[in-house]
Amino acid sequence: DIQMTQSPSSLSASVGDRVTITCRASQSINKYLNWYQQKPGKAPNLLISGASNLQSGVPSRFSGSGSGTDFSLTISSLQPEDFATYYCQQTYSVRMYTFGQGTKLEIK
Amino acid sequence: EEQLVESGGGLVQPGGSLRLSCAASEFTFNIYWLTWVRQAPGKGLEWVANIIQDGSEKYYVDSVKGRFTISRDNAKKSLYLQMNSLRVEDTAVYYCARNRTLDLWGQGTLVTVSS
Repeated sequence: DIQMTQSPSSLSASVGDRVTITCRASQSINKYLNWYQQKPGKAPNLLISGASNLQSGVPSRFSGSGSGTDFSLTISSLQPEDFATYYCQQTYSVRMYTFGQGTKLEIK
Repeated sequence: EEQLVESGGGLVQPGGSLRLSCAASEFTFNIYWLTWVRQAPGKGLEWVANIIQDGSEKYYVDSVKGRFTISRDNAKKSLYLQMNSLRVEDTAVYYCARNRTLDLWGQGTLVTVSS
């Protein structure tokens, strides 16, 4: 099974800060890595697919990079609406998708 | 507007059964993989099951194998999750989602397993 290790588990930051969340796969997953944002009481929302492809309607301050086993999500300048929980997910194997543990981004 | 709407959640005793449904609208249902994802209260996301476009391939997380069955009816544009032998640890909000990128999600339906 492919395990996904996401870090940090929580992060405090201020509006305007640049933040980076990382995700490591236990084996190579090429670029089959997605990033989701989830706000309390809501369904997750896809931000980035294929490691770096920004979804339509997602602000350009979000970016993703990486391939193989190491990936990152960067928010270039935090806005108030960005405080949420973020998850990575591998879809390399359709036999078992796996999510990271999540990163809760809180206001400092 | 493209939409997925889950239904069928509720309170059930341990050992009981429930059938979740997910109704799709405003998109071509039969060209997509479909997925169930769950989230226990206060916890992270957990992938539960996948089904291929024609229903011929199905995959499950180990913890539900032999108890849950994913299925779909392309004519009715609906996805299902039959859940048997439910356990307390199956308590969660269950989401259906579209495509390998999970680019469209339903609002979720709460399943509570408790005596």
